[in-house]
Amino acid sequence: DGGITQSPKYLFRKEGQNVTLSCEQNLNHDAMYWYRQDPGQGLRLIYYSQIVNDFQKGDIAEGYSVSREKKESFPLTVTSAQKNPTAFYLCASTLTNGAFFGQGTRLTVV
Amino acid sequence: AQSVTQLGSHVSVSEGALVLLRCNYSSSVPPYLFWYVQYPNQGLQLLLKYTSAATLVKGINGFEAEFKKSETSFHLTKPSAHMSDAAEYFCAVSDLRGKLIFGQGTELSVKP
Repeated sequence: DGGITQSPKYLFRKEGQNVTLSCEQNLNHDAMYWYRQDPGQGLRLIYYSQIVNDFQKGDIAEGYSVSREKKESFPLTVTSAQKNPTAFYLCASTLTNGAFFGQGTRLTVV
Repeated sequence: AQSVTQLGSHVSVSEGALVLLRCNYSSSVPPYLFWYVQYPNQGLQLLLKYTSAATLVKGINGFEAEFKKSETSFHLTKPSAHMSDAAEYFCAVSDLRGKLIFGQGTELSVKP
């Protein structure tokens, strides 16, 4: 079945540590996105990529980094510069007629 | 710039009652509009989409939405609520390249 796979489902990070969230898609979509979800704030765009080896900052890119070396993969690194990383992270890939989402990764700072 | 406003962060209805979730958009170009549903600790699932064809759009689970250009609205409705409809609902607008802008979300509660 085609879809988007995010891993891990739950992730715990210590203060000052970098962590990487995985996102893989087999839908052959060119565009991929990372969103952050906090209660009462909807979904906010972190980074997006329209094509391999190219990506753009979204509204809240500070403290995050991404790479797009393959069409299928768009990993997100939450760096130690992100002061409040505890949130639910969603990856999506899109065509112009709608986005498909992964099941999300819940990141908690311990 | 495109934006979406969802009116009401929480909506509560009784089982069997009409569901109405409000969404207004701002877009300088003809928009693509979407409604998504999210159950706890899950990703978003597409309910329905408007892509400049029919103004009344039917989606999954008995939901539908009407695009009204004069009111810049895309409200979501369902004639009769079920307990299983309790979830969070997001309205979104996209540009021609597919970048989605989301509203703040509306949490729907269904009372027995």
